[in-house]
Amino acid sequence: TQLLEQSPQFLSIQEGENLTVYCNSSSVFSSLQWYRQEPGEGPVLLVTVVTGGEVKKLKRLTFQFGDARKDSSLHITAAQPGDTGLYLCAGAYSGNTGKLIFGQGTTLQVKP
Amino acid sequence: DAGVTQSPTHLIKTRGQQVTLRCSPKSGHDTVSWYQQALGQGPQFIFQYYEEEERQRGNFPDRFSGHQFPNYSSELNVNALLLGDSALYLCASSLVGTPTGAFFGQGTRLTVV
Repeated sequence: TQLLEQSPQFLSIQEGENLTVYCNSSSVFSSLQWYRQEPGEGPVLLVTVVTGGEVKKLKRLTFQFGDARKDSSLHITAAQPGDTGLYLCAGAYSGNTGKLIFGQGTTLQVKP
Repeated sequence: DAGVTQSPTHLIKTRGQQVTLRCSPKSGHDTVSWYQQALGQGPQFIFQYYEEEERQRGNFPDRFSGHQFPNYSSELNVNALLLGDSALYLCASSLVGTPTGAFFGQGTRLTVV
C-alpha cells in the first residue's frame, strides 16, 4: 500500500520550462518534507512544511502544504539542468520526523 | 559541522552472510533512523533508535537488527543475507520532538551475490 502517491513519476522538460510535482495521501501528516536525491547519494532535505496551507519558497522552488495536511506540491519555475534529480516527498505522523513515509519519487530531467 | 556519515560506502556480500553498517549522526542530533531504498523507489523505513532503544519499526523481518551507542551513533545488522537485500541503505538523523526534517547520509550500497 502506497501511502504517499507522487505524480508524475517521470518528467522530461526543456530548460526554462515550469513544472509541478504533486504528493497526495489519504492520511493526515503532522509535517511533510521534500528531498532531492542524486544517483548514488542520500536524499538532501529541501524544505519542511508543518502548517496546513503553508507556502515556502526556496529560490525558484515553491512548496505548498495542503489545508488538510494530506497533500503537497512542489513547483519549479524556469527549470535548469542543475535541477535534474529524483524528488521525494515524505510525511511524518508525529513531531518526531525520525519515521518518514516516502512517496515513490519523481525523476526530473531538464534538458539544456 | 559534520553531517551524517555512513560506512562503508559500498559492500559486496554473499547470500547467507551477515553484514554490519555504521552511522554517525549529525552533531546535536539524538535520533537515528535506517531506511532501505531499492533502485528507482523511495526509501522504506526499517527502524528508529532513540536513547539506545528501538522505538519504531517498519515492516522488516527480524533478520534486520540494530543498535545505538551512548554517543548516538548506530549500527544496522542484517543476518542471513538474501539477494533481495541488495539496496542502498540510508541512515537519517534528527532531533526528537522537532519537526525540522531528517538529514541523511550518503548511504551504503549493499550488493548480495
